[in-house]
Amino acid sequence: DAGVIQSPRHEVTEMGQEVTLRCKPISGHNSLFWYRQTMMRGLELLIYFNNNVPIDDSGMPEDRFSAKMPNASFSTLKIQPSEPRDSAVYFCASSLGTEDTQYFGPGTRLTVL
Amino acid sequence: SQQGEEDPQALSIQEGENATMNCSYKTSINNLQWYRQNSGRGLVHLILIRSNEREKHSGRLRVTLDTSKKSSSLLITASRAADTASYFCATDYSNYKLTFGKGTLLTVNP
Repeated sequence: DAGVIQSPRHEVTEMGQEVTLRCKPISGHNSLFWYRQTMMRGLELLIYFNNNVPIDDSGMPEDRFSAKMPNASFSTLKIQPSEPRDSAVYFCASSLGTEDTQYFGPGTRLTVL
Repeated sequence: SQQGEEDPQALSIQEGENATMNCSYKTSINNLQWYRQNSGRGLVHLILIRSNEREKHSGRLRVTLDTSKKSSSLLITASRAADTASYFCATDYSNYKLTFGKGTLLTVNP
């Protein structure tokens, strides 16, 4: 299995631009998670999907952030408009079920200038 | 915050030595997990210990859990340079929501 796939691996954009991060979970996994990692705050859960349905989005920072999972093999995290403080590494993870091991993708390093 | 906290923040040892990292948390958990992150990479799951378990082994890794003290330790025996990475504990409070600590940066010098 290819593992969790994220794209792009690096994204540099200017403040105000829209950014879309993509994730392909491991085939057969029912749960998908988006995390953000910064030096200051560590690793934070942004949103959790189960069977393509958003279950907990309490970690989404503000309305500028949105996430979708149109099918079991694809999810997006969108930031519109982006701000410099959004600069971080964004990880997607998937698991077989809600209590199972989470497998992380390689992350997308986002830099907002 | 329910966040687990690792101790120490950084640890530097020689190859062949054992490395011990600790994690403390604040409320009751379902399980506790340890992850490794190499620089610039994603997190890799190492081991999961459930709240009713006290010790678990996996290769050179040994994890203990003391629910009365709300603490866990990760021991890496006979360390190698390739073990150099950040190690995170993650506590599971609610069946899916992992809360990660800030991590311990382990450096194993050849």
